[in-house]
Amino acid sequence: GAVVSQHPSWVICKSGTSVKIECRSLDFQATTMFWYRQFPKQSLMLMATSNEGSKATYEQGVEKDKFLINHASLTLSTLTVTSAHPEDSSFYICSARELLAGGETQYFGPGTRLLVL
Amino acid sequence: QKEVEQNSGPLSVPEGAIASLNCTYSDRVSQSFFWYRQYSGKSPELIMSIYSNGDKEDGRFTAQLNKASQYVSLLIRDSQPSDSATYLCAVAPYDSGSRLTFGEGTQLTVNP
Repeated sequence: GAVVSQHPSWVICKSGTSVKIECRSLDFQATTMFWYRQFPKQSLMLMATSNEGSKATYEQGVEKDKFLINHASLTLSTLTVTSAHPEDSSFYICSARELLAGGETQYFGPGTRLLVL
Repeated sequence: QKEVEQNSGPLSVPEGAIASLNCTYSDRVSQSFFWYRQYSGKSPELIMSIYSNGDKEDGRFTAQLNKASQYVSLLIRDSQPSDSATYLCAVAPYDSGSRLTFGEGTQLTVNP
């Protein structure tokens, strides 16, 4: 299947700093990518839909000014957690949508673990 | 009613048995259906995608889709301990920018 990468795989930062996470589709173009967050033993929670060349669409309750999303190319979307606080510590996972003749498929990246001290 | 419901777990089967995972969905416009496997501490991994009624086989995995009954299932034959994970059912309408709707997941344990 298609490959989606994320960088970094884990990050530890001090409270108040900003952290940027990159999501790349390595062997296909993705006009749409998605950002999820997952807390321990909980389900995936969709944060936002990232569309190439346009503004992201955020889910209800997700602060767009805190979680900045940029989808500047067909293979790269970035999520920046601004002024991170300990409650932002979580597992952040992106997925990329590939359109196929019979339908569509979404592939997930390996995730980024964020720990805010 | 939840949009996507999976059979409640956890599900435990002996090694070599068939594991059966079920999922129902409420939105009739759903066109794309997926099964993901998620190991503890890892991100979801795509196991199967299915778009039309019937069966789709890939190795030990078989996905079954019945749009009339709004039902999709995953069978795992010759279950192995390495299959122990949480299995997520996801559905999506076929339109631009469609997002996945996930079930809560079914935790499967395969006992040696």
